[in-house]
Amino acid sequence: GAVVSQHPSRVICKSGTSVKIECRSLDFQATTMFWYRQFPKQSLMLMATSNEGSKATYEQGVEKDKFLINHASLTLSTLTVTSAHPEDSSFYICSARVPQRGSYEQYFGPGTRLTVT
Amino acid sequence: TQLLEQSPQFLSIQEGENLTVYCNSSSVFSSLQWYRQEPGEGPVLLVTVVTGGEVKKLKRLTFQFGDARKDSSLHITAAQPGDTGLYLCAAMNYGGSQGNLIFGKGTKLSVKP
Repeated sequence: GAVVSQHPSRVICKSGTSVKIECRSLDFQATTMFWYRQFPKQSLMLMATSNEGSKATYEQGVEKDKFLINHASLTLSTLTVTSAHPEDSSFYICSARVPQRGSYEQYFGPGTRLTVT
Repeated sequence: TQLLEQSPQFLSIQEGENLTVYCNSSSVFSSLQWYRQEPGEGPVLLVTVVTGGEVKKLKRLTFQFGDARKDSSLHITAAQPGDTGLYLCAAMNYGGSQGNLIFGKGTKLSVKP
């Protein structure tokens, strides 16, 4: 149990275009999902907290108009990188909290490698 | 500001050796998690420790939570090449909303056959 999937696993796009990344909880309902970004040889940095049915909460320094988050259902959250630039190239990872296992355990998706050319 | 300091940052050892990775903070945490991440994949939860002084074992991996709940260690016995990866400790960010995790910078372990 507690499986989180992401799609796509890899995406290459041209500068100025938008890219949507999907995060799904496959065998549980997640009222809260988290989006992280990880640059090479670095740890995970939280970008935003996604709440089902309400607006996402963004971390300081993350542009909410550039990184659009939609948590439309209890099993799906999407991250759209708008007007992507090469500096947005990174590894994006989502995670979901499993309510019945307490508030402190999160399960992560396999990540999405975004390359902006 | 809550920070998790991990050490060492890099560790390269031979198969069969033992190793210990440390995660330290000046803050007290109600719980702490250890994750392992392989290149190009998301982190996988290894264990959660909750009680001060708690010791948990997962095959050759032994996790310990400090008595004061400010630090934790991961000890691997007889390391194998399959243990290679990035080991991350994480804890609840009380200053954040809705229970997001803060992560240490990770320990990159390489076990050579």
